[in-house]
Amino acid sequence: AQTVTQSQPEMSVQEAETVTLSCTYDTSENNYYLFWYKQPPSRQMILVIRQEAYKQQNATENRFSVNFQKAAKSFSLKISDSQLGDTAMYFCALGRTGANNLFFGTGTRLTVIP
Amino acid sequence: DAGVIQSPRHEVTEMGQEVTLRCKPISGHNSLFWYRQTMMRGLELLIYFNNNVPIDDSGMPEDRFSAKMPNASFSTLKIQPSEPRDSAVYFCASSLTGLGTEAFFGQGTRLTVV
Repeated sequence: AQTVTQSQPEMSVQEAETVTLSCTYDTSENNYYLFWYKQPPSRQMILVIRQEAYKQQNATENRFSVNFQKAAKSFSLKISDSQLGDTAMYFCALGRTGANNLFFGTGTRLTVIP
Repeated sequence: DAGVIQSPRHEVTEMGQEVTLRCKPISGHNSLFWYRQTMMRGLELLIYFNNNVPIDDSGMPEDRFSAKMPNASFSTLKIQPSEPRDSAVYFCASSLTGLGTEAFFGQGTRLTVV
């Protein structure tokens, strides 16, 4: 079975500061992908960043980076230089081998404070 | 491409009525997913199709829910009869088949059953 856990229902950060969102997961697969999706108030789900499980190097996309700890099954998202537009729900998701449906965590609501 | 298009964006219906949600995936994508989002349960996969064929419908809550994909450019999710507990946001997403490919989401349909 696949599970994704986000233990922080809500977080806040001052504009321009750095914030880290936590995610842990469980899977019996050896080959899988991990994703962070952002859902702003518009409701649109937007891919933020993606990590291949077989890669040791942490993925980075501009101000967004991940800390992927495969042995610990941990996949945290770091947002640097937070901007007001980063205010959204953030979902961690796991994609498994043999199918490309995603398993989502329950989300973390991030508020960037001006 | 206009992205994944869902209609309607909002639907209010009375308990017992039939509801049909519609989705047009991104052209060329061969996987299509229906998700349901609620506060209590987060994002749940209801069903997904690959090349218009239902692959996994284990997330469909009960027989009142049915989904079809008559061709590569159109899918429907039907609830008959609807109940108040079906109130949620329903997302359609599409992707190319393959592990790690990004799922592109529509803007969702907010269903309210009164």
